[in-house]
Amino acid sequence: KNEVEQSPQNLTAQEGEFITINCSYSVGISALHWLQQHPGGGIVSLFMLSSGKKKHGRLIATINIQEKHSSLHITASHPRDSAVYICAVSSMDSNYQLIWGAGTKLIIKP
Amino acid sequence: DTGVSQDPRHKITKRGQNVTFRCDPISEHNRLYWYRQTLGQGPEFLTYFQNEAQLEKSRLLSDRFSAERPKGSFSTLEIQRTEQGDSAMYLCASSLWTVQETQYFGPGTRLLVL
Repeated sequence: KNEVEQSPQNLTAQEGEFITINCSYSVGISALHWLQQHPGGGIVSLFMLSSGKKKHGRLIATINIQEKHSSLHITASHPRDSAVYICAVSSMDSNYQLIWGAGTKLIIKP
Repeated sequence: DTGVSQDPRHKITKRGQNVTFRCDPISEHNRLYWYRQTLGQGPEFLTYFQNEAQLEKSRLLSDRFSAERPKGSFSTLEIQRTEQGDSAMYLCASSLWTVQETQYFGPGTRLLVL
């Protein structure tokens, strides 16, 4: 079993839909990261959180430490949101290095 | 541009050749990470430096791979005697290490071994 699991692996939605991507982890963490990767490889950090909820524009990230679960939400989705969204955790067991989920490929159709 | 930069962005080489990639981190960042990402997979940790010291190497990093960060600033990743399985995106990230750090990623170097 992977230490960081994301679901779904692939998600296709219509423009305007509310999007939820889930991440579950099994290790002790100091922080959880959500990252975005567009075709071509560039990775952008979206959020780093260790508790509660953060919001940036149409993106919202939540984390429940007790349940070891995080969600990334996109409101009013747009085709430019199409990308791979990756959850990664800073593990307390591995000197705070990142352990990565496999990513969720999101396609937003106009 | 004060972000993380990598050079080259793309590299095509023949099997058996050596290749070297460079990463320039954000200037005040003391940690530098190398990751490898194959198609359809999430990035895999390879190694990281704190200043000039290489503190950890993944088991993925075979003897053909070597990384340096001689002055605690830029880093190089060399692959000797490349194999087709080395074809991947090689990502560099840097951070200012604290208990909760944000890693900033470079654009990556895409390697194709023919």
